[in-house]
This record gives sequence, structure tokens and C-alpha cells, in this order.
Amino acid sequence: SQTIHQWPATLVQPVGSPLSLECTVEGTSNPNLYWYRQAAGRGLQLLFYSVGIGQISSEVPQNLSASRPQDRQFILSSKKLLLSDSGFYLCAWDRDRGEAFFGQGTRLTVV
Amino acid sequence: DAKTTQPPSMDCAEGRAANLPCNHSTISGNEYVYWYRQIHSQGPQYIIHGLKNNETNEMASLIITEDRKSSTLILPHATLRDTAVYYCIVRVAGASKIIFGSGTRLSIRP
Repeated sequence: SQTIHQWPATLVQPVGSPLSLECTVEGTSNPNLYWYRQAAGRGLQLLFYSVGIGQISSEVPQNLSASRPQDRQFILSSKKLLLSDSGFYLCAWDRDRGEAFFGQGTRLTVV
Repeated sequence: DAKTTQPPSMDCAEGRAANLPCNHSTISGNEYVYWYRQIHSQGPQYIIHGLKNNETNEMASLIITEDRKSSTLILPHATLRDTAVYYCIVRVAGASKIIFGSGTRLSIRP
């Protein structure tokens, strides 16, 4: 069966520090991969979308970047965090049927 | 991707059927209707999807109008654990971005 791993579950980082969140998928190949952010009390904002290794689509201008070094690995990064980067970050994958599966999320607090 | 319109909130009595509507009047012929829900502080959970026929699974039923311009998600016997934000999304299966709207906040009252 397919599973998605996302870590860490919670993270507290100072302003100006770097960020690296990792997401891996098991049990499938060539998935579409997604990074979303949800600010407190708000909706899900699509940040990045990837259809293959090295193919990243950025949906909104921001202080973040994404990479896909392997087929089932998706990494969200920042060189210098801002207070506004705080939020709940979710990784997801889907394939041909279009059902998307989400990780448990990382709650990031920038202080 | 076609846009969807959902009521911002609804409530339902426990044990009754919860009927959540969604309008998608600009849906294209190859776009499916997907439903997800997000329970507080968790990632969204896939519920069901369909193209034009009604669908049913262990979680819910999906009723799509003949013109495909609207649909209804039915939770047949709502429980307190069904309290969540429900999202209706239309997209080409596995071939386009997944964009979430505001969804419907469903509250189940005892």
C-alpha cells in the first residue's frame, strides 16, 4: 500500500534561520507531488507542484523553494525564514485516479 | 481548473443525513468532481470522486446532476466525528493541480 511520510511534526525556528522539510512517498512511482501551507484559521494554499524529478512549478512568489531530487522525495526549503512563514505545511501526492493523499503535516512556528 | 462554490457553513443533527452542495457550472467534460475533508489540525482526507454517475463508498455518496453543473455529497448518518471542513474540487484526474477553495464547515450537533 502507498504511504506518505512527512517530518518533523512540529518545528520552532528563529527568524533568519534556514528550513528544510522532507516528504517521501512509498508504494508508488511517478507520483505528482504537492506542498501546501495553511496559515492559522485559513485555507490551503498550494505552494509547489511537481510532475517529475527536477520539475517544479511554483504557485506563489515567496520566500520558499522546493526540490525533487528523487522520484518520491520532495523537499521544501528556505534560506532565511520570516515570521510570515509560520503555518501548517502539508505534503501530498496523487496519480492517475486523482485521489490525493496527504501527510500528517508540519506545524512551523517562526519566532 | 473549474471553480466551485460551496456554502461557508452548515450544521446537521447527529444521526441525520448531511447533504453538502457544490456548484461547478463551468466544469469541463473531462473533469471529475472530488470531495475531501479536513478535520482540525490534520491533513485533508479523500472521500469520494465521480465523473457523471452517482458514486457510493463506505464513507459517503456523491450525487452529480445530469448537466454536471452541481453535485451533493451525502453523509448518510452523521456523527460528531464528521465535524470538519469539506472541500469540493473539480479537476482532470491526476493531470492538473489540486486547488482548494474555502470549503464548507460542517458542524454536527448532538
